[in-house]
Amino acid sequence: DAGVTQSPTHLIKTRGQQVTLRCSPISGHKSVSWYQQVLGQGPQFIFQYYEKEERGRGNFPDRFSARQFPNYSSELNVNALLLGDSALYLCASSLGGVNEQFFGPGTRLTVL
Amino acid sequence: AQTVTQSQPEMSVQEAETVTLSCTYDTSESDYYLFWYKQPPSRQMILVIRQEAYKQQNATENRFSVNFQKAAKSFSLKISDSQLGDAAMYFCAYRSQNSGGSNYKLTFGKGTLLTVNP
Repeated sequence: DAGVTQSPTHLIKTRGQQVTLRCSPISGHKSVSWYQQVLGQGPQFIFQYYEKEERGRGNFPDRFSARQFPNYSSELNVNALLLGDSALYLCASSLGGVNEQFFGPGTRLTVL
Repeated sequence: AQTVTQSQPEMSVQEAETVTLSCTYDTSESDYYLFWYKQPPSRQMILVIRQEAYKQQNATENRFSVNFQKAAKSFSLKISDSQLGDAAMYFCAYRSQNSGGSNYKLTFGKGTLLTVNP
């Protein structure tokens, strides 16, 4: 079975632009979570979605938004990019609840 | 809010030797999960081992074992017979076990970079 997939692998944007990152969960998984990992730090929670509803939001500005589609794939949008948004963005999927979260390989975003 | 602290930014071990990575956490909850994740240079975060707080027995997975001290809020990872493939960044993580559809976010420490010397 395919694991969690994310696209694109790498992305370079300039300040002020907008970006959309995509995540496809493991088949059968209904929960998707997004994390931001700045170089040299541990991942920080951004959003969790379960059954297309937002179930949690981390301490990130409103420039960050996400949604989950009927097929349980998800998009993370970041508007008005700042240099500090440069990071590895990780997506994790799970069956939901206390079940294990499986991570994708991440999208490396560089903001110039 | 829960916090996770990994006080060792870097550790090194000789191949075939044993190494212990430290983690402490702070929480007011009584039910929760603790995890160790491995992140090699390929960036894929891989679950190494998990511990349920209500279980007194320490979790083990082959060469990996934990020392869970609930009262001390300590959760260390022991890697026995270290192999070159164990070289990676290791993250300790916490997750609440509240029910009712609440979010089950993971709270990570800053990580420990493990080097395995041949």
